[in-house]
Amino acid sequence: QSVLTQPPSASGTPGQRVTISCSGSSSNIGSNTVNWYQQLPGTAPKLLIYSNNQRPSGVPDRFSGSKSGTSASLAISGLQSEDEADYYCAAWDDSLNGSVFGGGTKLTVL
Amino acid sequence: QLQLQESGPGLVKPSETLSLTCTVSGGSISSNNYYWGWIRQPPGKGLEWIGNILYGGNTYYNLSLKSRVTMSVDTSKNQIFLKLSAVTAADTAVYYCVRPGPGVGGGSRFDPWGQGTLVTVSS
Repeated sequence: QSVLTQPPSASGTPGQRVTISCSGSSSNIGSNTVNWYQQLPGTAPKLLIYSNNQRPSGVPDRFSGSKSGTSASLAISGLQSEDEADYYCAAWDDSLNGSVFGGGTKLTVL
Repeated sequence: QLQLQESGPGLVKPSETLSLTCTVSGGSISSNNYYWGWIRQPPGKGLEWIGNILYGGNTYYNLSLKSRVTMSVDTSKNQIFLKLSAVTAADTAVYYCVRPGPGVGGGSRFDPWGQGTLVTVSS
């Protein structure tokens, strides 16, 4: 069981906006920044959002992140077929003195 | 451009020690006080952080693996090493070498990632 909680699946049609939630606690999301990763089929994960809401260069502005309290969200607007992937949230946990991941959300573009 | 490449045996016998090497190119592992790390992913499952190491030797390990994990570096070869002892089938996974970002213990911002290497534990 993962320390951070994500829904196992999400879906949307092309052009739609979808959100993926990530729930944690005061020792991780509540006191540290959240990062999001995109893993396309058969590839290594890629940093998608860092420091709650920052996009690395090259990541489209269709992807956005937010954090409130002990929860965070990833939003994808203008959904495209190439967005079909697994998405993971991660944060440092002060109690565990280490990084923790969510279980991952498989996004399907219908 | 920083690149990470994992290498090591693809098959390890139960109870033996898994040993992997990460070779870094495009930058020095001893620069800028960056940590270096390992993450694994069992087939069809999610990501699990293994640990981070600073080139000077300071380490942070996943508590669930701490008794079996050793990470080290060789700055002369620009390499990071992972050893996981007493492996079982549950340690079968793709192992990724990563560079954590700034933050206590390296934090959870991992960029870039190596392509990963599959290690199967089987007799």
